[in-house]
Amino acid sequence: SQQGEEDPQALSIQEGENATMNCSYKTSINNLQWYRQNSGRGLVHLILIRSNEREKHSGRLRVTLDTSKKSSSLLITASRAADTASYFCATDPDQFYFGTGTSLTVIP
Amino acid sequence: GAVVSQHPSRVICKSGTSVKIECRSLDFQATTMFWYRQFPKQSLMLMATSNEGSKATYEQGVEKDKFLINHASLTLSTLTVTSAHPEDSSFYICSARSPGTAHTEAFFGQGTRLTVV
Repeated sequence: SQQGEEDPQALSIQEGENATMNCSYKTSINNLQWYRQNSGRGLVHLILIRSNEREKHSGRLRVTLDTSKKSSSLLITASRAADTASYFCATDPDQFYFGTGTSLTVIP
Repeated sequence: GAVVSQHPSRVICKSGTSVKIECRSLDFQATTMFWYRQFPKQSLMLMATSNEGSKATYEQGVEKDKFLINHASLTLSTLTVTSAHPEDSSFYICSARSPGTAHTEAFFGQGTRLTVV
């Protein structure tokens, strides 16, 4: 069964703006990961944050994790049209259970 | 980074036939592979966990006899959709993780789009 839920389900922004997506999960985790999926393609790993970390950066990506609230957020700064994709969070214990995803559209 | 190769990328088959999808870890040994199914505009649903040398562990609601999983070697897992029907049409994705790496990313194949006509 799915573990996480992303919010919002769909997000449309202008190029250059920041995009924020949220993920909530249900049970204890070892780590949480964010993935990106272009239409009809496989998943690309973006960033992993461990359960003992609160914030992590990678390029234009910033991820936060609040284990007390069982939630995580992904911030993409200075968005580009090429960032248009679906974004999923996945929690790890053992298996990776994916959230419902946020469909991001960046308008040039 | 590690590479997982999935083949074929697209397949069209007739109702009643069986289709085999391969998932290979190219530069590492994967004791565990995962198989997912994705419906249009939806998330990935874990179907089963494939363990090398043993029977796969299926998620609740996934038919074992319908979706046969074989993980005969440390670099190859296969998913066979038996007696396929149009409702089996979907996007199937595999992933693999290196042994002994509990806190790291999984590596995903590019997916297989199955269309049953």
